[in-house]
Amino acid sequence: DIQMTQSPSSLSASVGDRVTITCRASQDISSRLAWFQQKPGKAPESLIYAASTLQSGVPSKFSGSGSGTDFTLTINSLQPEDLATYYCQQYKSYPITFGQGTRLEIK
Amino acid sequence: EVHLVESGGGLVRPGWSLRLSCVASGFSFSDHYMDWVRQAPGKGLEWVGRIRKKFNLYSTEYAASVKGRFTISRDDSKNSLFLQMNSLKTEDTAVYYCTRVSGDSHFDNWGQGTLVAVSS
Repeated sequence: DIQMTQSPSSLSASVGDRVTITCRASQDISSRLAWFQQKPGKAPESLIYAASTLQSGVPSKFSGSGSGTDFTLTINSLQPEDLATYYCQQYKSYPITFGQGTRLEIK
Repeated sequence: EVHLVESGGGLVRPGWSLRLSCVASGFSFSDHYMDWVRQAPGKGLEWVGRIRKKFNLYSTEYAASVKGRFTISRDDSKNSLFLQMNSLKTEDTAVYYCTRVSGDSHFDNWGQGTLVAVSS
Protein backbone atom coordinates (compact mmCIF):
# COMPACT_ATOMS: atom_id res chain seq x y z
CA ASP A 1 0.00 0.00 0.00
CA ILE A 2 1.08 3.58 -0.65
CA GLN A 3 1.51 5.54 2.58
CA MET A 4 0.59 9.21 2.57
CA THR A 5 2.21 11.41 5.21
CA GLN A 6 1.04 14.95 5.83
CA SER A 7 2.83 17.67 7.73
CA PRO A 8 2.21 19.38 9.95
CA SER A 9 -0.52 17.45 11.78
CA SER A 10 -1.89 20.73 13.02
CA LEU A 11 -1.17 24.39 12.60
CA SER A 12 -2.48 27.70 13.79
CA ALA A 13 -2.46 30.81 11.61
CA SER A 14 -3.94 34.28 11.57
CA VAL A 15 -6.54 35.79 9.28
CA GLY A 16 -4.81 36.99 6.12
CA ASP A 17 -1.89 34.56 6.41
CA ARG A 18 -0.75 32.14 3.74
CA VAL A 19 -0.38 28.54 4.87
CA THR A 20 1.20 25.53 3.26
CA ILE A 21 0.51 21.88 3.97
CA THR A 22 2.75 19.17 2.59
CA CYS A 23 1.96 15.60 1.65
CA ARG A 24 4.51 12.92 0.86
CA ALA A 25 3.78 9.61 -0.83
CA SER A 26 5.80 6.49 -0.04
CA GLN A 27 6.21 5.87 -3.78
CA ASP A 28 5.78 7.68 -7.05
CA ILE A 29 2.11 8.53 -7.67
CA SER A 30 2.70 10.81 -10.66
CA SER A 31 0.02 13.52 -10.30
CA ARG A 32 -2.75 11.28 -8.94
CA LEU A 33 -3.11 13.38 -5.82
CA ALA A 34 -6.21 15.05 -4.43
CA TRP A 35 -6.89 17.41 -1.54
CA PHE A 36 -10.07 17.54 0.55
CA GLN A 37 -11.40 19.96 3.14
CA GLN A 38 -13.54 18.79 6.03
CA LYS A 39 -15.13 21.42 8.23
CA PRO A 40 -16.16 20.44 11.76
CA GLY A 41 -19.20 18.17 11.76
CA LYS A 42 -19.48 18.19 7.98
CA ALA A 43 -18.75 15.83 5.10
CA PRO A 44 -15.48 16.27 3.23
CA GLU A 45 -15.43 18.45 0.15
CA SER A 46 -13.16 18.09 -2.84
CA LEU A 47 -10.72 20.94 -3.40
CA ILE A 48 -8.06 19.82 -5.86
CA TYR A 49 -7.36 16.83 -8.09
CA ALA A 50 -4.51 15.86 -10.38
CA ALA A 51 -2.25 17.62 -7.86
CA SER A 52 -3.04 21.13 -9.08
CA THR A 53 -6.50 21.30 -10.74
CA LEU A 54 -9.16 23.12 -8.75
CA GLN A 55 -12.55 21.49 -8.49
CA SER A 56 -15.32 23.55 -9.99
CA GLY A 57 -16.45 26.25 -7.61
CA VAL A 58 -13.37 26.15 -5.39
CA PRO A 59 -11.93 29.64 -4.87
CA SER A 60 -8.56 30.44 -6.38
CA LYS A 61 -7.10 31.12 -2.92
CA PHE A 62 -6.49 27.38 -2.86
CA SER A 63 -3.68 25.97 -4.97
CA GLY A 64 -1.82 22.71 -5.25
CA SER A 65 1.52 21.68 -6.65
CA GLY A 66 3.90 18.77 -6.90
CA SER A 67 4.33 15.46 -8.66
CA GLY A 68 5.96 12.14 -7.96
CA THR A 69 6.16 11.89 -4.19
CA ASP A 70 6.03 15.45 -2.83
CA PHE A 71 2.99 17.71 -2.92
CA THR A 72 1.78 20.92 -1.34
CA LEU A 73 -1.53 22.62 -0.67
CA THR A 74 -1.36 26.38 -0.27
CA ILE A 75 -4.15 28.53 1.13
CA ASN A 76 -3.81 32.27 0.56
CA SER A 77 -5.45 35.04 2.54
CA LEU A 78 -6.68 32.80 5.33
CA GLN A 79 -10.25 33.45 6.53
CA PRO A 80 -12.18 32.17 9.56
CA GLU A 81 -14.22 29.87 7.31
CA ASP A 82 -11.03 28.01 6.34
CA LEU A 83 -11.06 26.37 9.78
CA ALA A 84 -11.04 22.69 8.84
CA THR A 85 -9.06 19.50 8.58
CA TYR A 86 -7.34 18.99 5.23
CA TYR A 87 -6.58 15.58 3.78
CA CYS A 88 -4.46 14.49 0.85
CA GLN A 89 -5.27 11.30 -1.05
CA GLN A 90 -3.53 9.21 -3.65
CA TYR A 91 -5.59 7.52 -6.32
CA LYS A 92 -2.72 6.09 -8.37
CA SER A 93 -3.24 2.55 -7.15
CA TYR A 94 -5.42 0.40 -4.94
CA PRO A 95 -6.04 0.63 -2.13
CA ILE A 96 -6.74 4.33 -2.38
CA THR A 97 -5.14 5.93 0.68
CA PHE A 98 -5.43 9.20 2.58
CA GLY A 99 -3.02 11.20 4.64
CA GLN A 100 -3.74 11.43 8.36
CA GLY A 101 -5.06 14.98 8.04
CA THR A 102 -3.87 18.46 8.98
CA ARG A 103 -6.01 20.40 11.42
CA LEU A 104 -5.96 24.12 10.63
CA GLU A 105 -6.86 26.50 13.43
CA ILE A 106 -7.41 30.22 13.08
CA LYS A 107 -5.76 32.37 15.74
CA GLU B 1 -26.56 20.07 -9.06
CA VAL B 2 -25.08 16.78 -7.90
CA HIS B 3 -26.72 15.26 -4.85
CA LEU B 4 -25.74 12.09 -3.04
CA VAL B 5 -27.91 11.00 -0.12
CA GLU B 6 -26.93 8.05 2.06
CA SER B 7 -29.29 6.12 4.31
CA GLY B 8 -29.52 2.85 6.20
CA GLY B 9 -27.16 3.51 9.08
CA GLY B 10 -27.96 2.56 12.65
CA LEU B 11 -26.92 0.66 15.76
CA VAL B 12 -26.22 -3.03 15.32
CA ARG B 13 -24.55 -5.85 17.26
CA PRO B 14 -21.23 -7.41 16.30
CA GLY B 15 -21.77 -10.13 13.70
CA TRP B 16 -24.93 -8.57 12.33
CA SER B 17 -25.50 -7.27 8.80
CA LEU B 18 -26.54 -3.90 7.48
CA ARG B 19 -27.20 -2.49 4.03
CA LEU B 20 -26.46 1.12 3.21
CA SER B 21 -27.93 2.98 0.26
CA CYS B 22 -26.89 6.08 -1.62
CA VAL B 23 -29.34 7.76 -3.98
CA ALA B 24 -27.85 10.02 -6.62
CA SER B 25 -29.40 12.87 -8.54
CA GLY B 26 -28.33 15.73 -10.79
CA PHE B 27 -26.07 13.72 -13.07
CA SER B 28 -25.93 10.60 -15.23
CA PHE B 29 -25.34 8.04 -12.49
CA SER B 30 -24.65 5.16 -14.87
CA ASP B 31 -21.68 6.99 -16.39
CA HIS B 32 -19.69 7.13 -13.17
CA TYR B 33 -17.70 4.84 -10.95
CA MET B 34 -18.83 5.19 -7.34
CA ASP B 35 -16.94 4.70 -4.09
CA TRP B 36 -17.59 4.31 -0.39
CA VAL B 37 -15.37 6.02 2.19
CA ARG B 38 -15.71 5.80 5.96
CA GLN B 39 -14.58 7.79 8.96
CA ALA B 40 -14.42 6.35 12.46
CA PRO B 41 -15.31 8.78 15.26
CA GLY B 42 -12.52 11.33 15.68
CA LYS B 43 -10.38 9.62 13.05
CA GLY B 44 -9.32 10.20 9.45
CA LEU B 45 -10.76 9.04 6.17
CA GLU B 46 -10.56 5.41 5.06
CA TRP B 47 -11.42 4.20 1.57
CA VAL B 48 -13.79 1.22 1.62
CA GLY B 49 -14.26 0.27 -2.01
CA ARG B 50 -15.30 1.05 -5.57
CA ILE B 51 -17.75 -0.16 -8.16
CA ARG B 52 -17.17 0.59 -11.82
CA LYS B 53 -19.84 1.15 -14.43
CA LYS B 54 -21.61 -1.28 -16.76
CA PHE B 55 -18.98 -0.87 -19.49
CA ASN B 56 -16.48 -2.22 -16.97
CA LEU B 57 -18.83 -5.05 -16.01
CA TYR B 58 -19.60 -3.46 -12.66
CA SER B 59 -16.27 -4.71 -11.37
CA THR B 60 -15.31 -3.88 -7.81
CA GLU B 61 -12.31 -3.13 -5.59
CA TYR B 62 -12.18 -3.34 -1.80
CA ALA B 63 -9.97 -2.35 1.08
CA ALA B 64 -8.34 -5.31 2.77
CA SER B 65 -10.14 -4.49 6.02
CA VAL B 66 -13.56 -5.19 4.48
CA LYS B 67 -12.84 -7.63 1.66
CA GLY B 68 -14.95 -10.75 1.98
CA ARG B 69 -17.40 -9.07 4.38
CA PHE B 70 -18.63 -6.04 2.42
CA THR B 71 -20.17 -6.02 -1.06
CA ILE B 72 -20.74 -2.97 -3.22
CA SER B 73 -23.49 -3.03 -5.82
CA ARG B 74 -25.53 -0.56 -7.82
CA ASP B 75 -28.87 -0.24 -9.57
CA ASP B 76 -28.48 2.22 -12.42
CA SER B 77 -32.23 2.16 -13.11
CA LYS B 78 -32.78 3.64 -9.65
CA ASN B 79 -29.64 5.82 -9.53
CA SER B 80 -28.67 3.92 -6.42
CA LEU B 81 -25.48 2.63 -4.85
CA PHE B 82 -25.41 0.02 -2.09
CA LEU B 83 -23.03 -1.27 0.54
CA GLN B 84 -23.93 -4.65 2.00
CA MET B 85 -22.03 -5.10 5.25
CA ASN B 86 -21.90 -8.56 6.82
CA SER B 87 -20.16 -9.91 9.90
CA LEU B 88 -19.88 -6.41 11.29
CA LYS B 89 -17.17 -5.68 13.84
CA THR B 90 -16.88 -2.91 16.41
CA GLU B 91 -14.09 -1.41 14.32
CA ASP B 92 -16.56 -0.89 11.46
CA THR B 93 -18.19 1.87 13.52
CA ALA B 94 -17.95 4.97 11.35
CA VAL B 95 -19.74 7.51 9.23
CA TYR B 96 -20.01 6.07 5.73
CA TYR B 97 -19.89 8.40 2.74
CA CYS B 98 -20.64 7.67 -0.88
CA THR B 99 -18.58 9.56 -3.42
CA ARG B 100 -18.75 10.13 -7.15
CA VAL B 101 -15.67 9.34 -9.20
CA SER B 102 -14.83 11.35 -12.31
CA GLY B 103 -12.19 11.89 -14.97
CA ASP B 104 -8.85 10.41 -13.95
CA SER B 105 -10.60 8.51 -11.12
CA HIS B 106 -10.65 11.38 -8.67
CA PHE B 107 -13.49 12.03 -6.23
CA ASP B 108 -15.53 15.12 -6.95
CA ASN B 109 -18.71 14.90 -4.90
CA TRP B 110 -19.55 13.48 -1.48
CA GLY B 111 -22.76 12.64 0.28
CA GLN B 112 -23.53 13.83 3.80
CA GLY B 113 -22.82 10.43 5.33
CA THR B 114 -24.70 7.89 7.42
CA LEU B 115 -23.57 6.65 10.83
CA VAL B 116 -23.07 2.97 11.52
CA ALA B 117 -22.46 2.00 15.14
CA VAL B 118 -21.48 -1.57 15.97
CA SER B 119 -21.66 -2.31 19.67
CA SER B 120 -22.70 -5.07 22.02
